[in-house]
Amino acid sequence: EIVLTQSPATLSLSPGERATLSCRASQSVSSSLAWYQQKPGQAPRLLISDASSRATGIPARFSGSGSGTDFTLTISSLEPEDFAVYYCQQRTNWPITFGQGTRLEIK
Amino acid sequence: EVQLLESGGGLVQPGGSLRLSCAASGFTFSNHAMRWARQAPGKGLEWVSAIGVGGSTYYRDSVKGRFIISRDNSKNMVFLQMNSLRAEDTAVYYCAKVTSNFVAFEYWGQGTLVTVSS
Repeated sequence: EIVLTQSPATLSLSPGERATLSCRASQSVSSSLAWYQQKPGQAPRLLISDASSRATGIPARFSGSGSGTDFTLTISSLEPEDFAVYYCQQRTNWPITFGQGTRLEIK
Repeated sequence: EVQLLESGGGLVQPGGSLRLSCAASGFTFSNHAMRWARQAPGKGLEWVSAIGVGGSTYYRDSVKGRFIISRDNSKNMVFLQMNSLRAEDTAVYYCAKVTSNFVAFEYWGQGTLVTVSS
C-alpha cells in the first residue's frame, strides 16, 4: 500500500498570504495524484488532478506541482473561503489511498 | 450539472446489513467508473470500493468479502451492499464519479451516514 504523508498537519496563515502544502508518497506515483478541499459538513471538492491540472471551475490561485514522490499544492494568495482541510490522493496502485490531511486555519 | 445523491444510510446493529444507493445525473453514466469512499467521524478520507465501466470491481482489504459494489446503467445508479457490518464501518459514505483517466474522484455526492452500534 502506498502511504501518503502530508505536511504540515496544521498551517496557520492570514488572508492574502501564500500557502504551501506538501504530500510525500512512500513510493513513486508518477503524476497520478489529486488534491481535494473539504470544508466542515461538506463533501470533498476536487481541486487538482494529474498532479498539476486544475479541475473545472477551480480558481487560478490554486496550483499543483511535483511528480514521483514529492508533490506540492500552492495557494498563491489566500481568500477567506480557502480555510479548510486539504487531502492528497493517489491512484497509481490499489488500494487508492489518501493522505491524512492538512488543516489550513486562519492565523 | 453533475449530481450524485446517496441514500440508504442509517443505524444498524453489528453484524447487520445495509444497502446504499447513489443516483447519478448530468453525465453519461455508463461511460464512467464510480467509487465509494467513507469518512469516520472526525477522521480523514478512506477509499472503499470501485466499479469500472465494464463491471470490474475493487475493494479495500477491510471490506472484501463483506461489501459488494454494483451498478445499473439503465437507472444511472451505483450500489454498495454492506454485510456483516462492524463498529469500525461507522462513517459518512460518499459516492463519486471518477475522472476519465481514472486518477481522481471528480464529483462527490453529499454523503449518507452509516452508524453501526448496538
